[in-house]
Amino acid sequence: GENVEQHPSTLSVQEGDSAVIKCTYSDSASNYFPWYKQELGKRPQLIIDIRSNVGEKKDQRIAVTLNKTAKHFSLHITETQPEDSAVYFCAAPRSGGGADGLTFGKGTHLIIQP
Amino acid sequence: EAQVTQNPRYLITVTGKKLTVTCSQNMNHEYMSWYRQDPGLGLRQIYYSMNVEVTDKGDVPEGYKVSRKEKRNFPLILESPSPNQTSLYFCASSFVSSRPFFGPGTRLTVL
Repeated sequence: GENVEQHPSTLSVQEGDSAVIKCTYSDSASNYFPWYKQELGKRPQLIIDIRSNVGEKKDQRIAVTLNKTAKHFSLHITETQPEDSAVYFCAAPRSGGGADGLTFGKGTHLIIQP
Repeated sequence: EAQVTQNPRYLITVTGKKLTVTCSQNMNHEYMSWYRQDPGLGLRQIYYSMNVEVTDKGDVPEGYKVSRKEKRNFPLILESPSPNQTSLYFCASSFVSSRPFFGPGTRLTVL
């Protein structure tokens, strides 16, 4: 099955700076990579995703990049704001075809310092 | 309003006392799943279901049972709970398995 490694486990940045969270995966057949944001006491919510046929996807201040050769993908948040403080999870299909759910990384606690 | 509901939201119980956590969705999703979230371990899939009467094990199925008799409901059953099942549980549903929409969570404590 898929193995997803996520780094760092905690990331503290100054408000207005950029934040980058990195994930690696093991199954070269994986073709879909979502990112979830979980605010304190809330459910995880999908914020952005990328499919293996593209290298980058942007949505306002967040972007995700994918390097299929190296089997890693990253979440980039620019101009960070206090509301970006949360735990972020990357994920990949449990099996390459993706019919049996997701394997999640262990999460990154992003702290935005005022 | 599209939603996934779970009940109860909080539960404290004792070892060995059977319990059921209900999950219901109103989005006509085929795919439903259960995850548990533990500090430092992220979200781990317990069971999933691709449609009515079709269920399969996830990564951490030991000690749990599920059933899918109706499309909208996917209860999680702990026949004999143990303290190592103390956790935060999320039900999720989606049209495809790769985009789960999570419920609000159930915090379970087993004493």
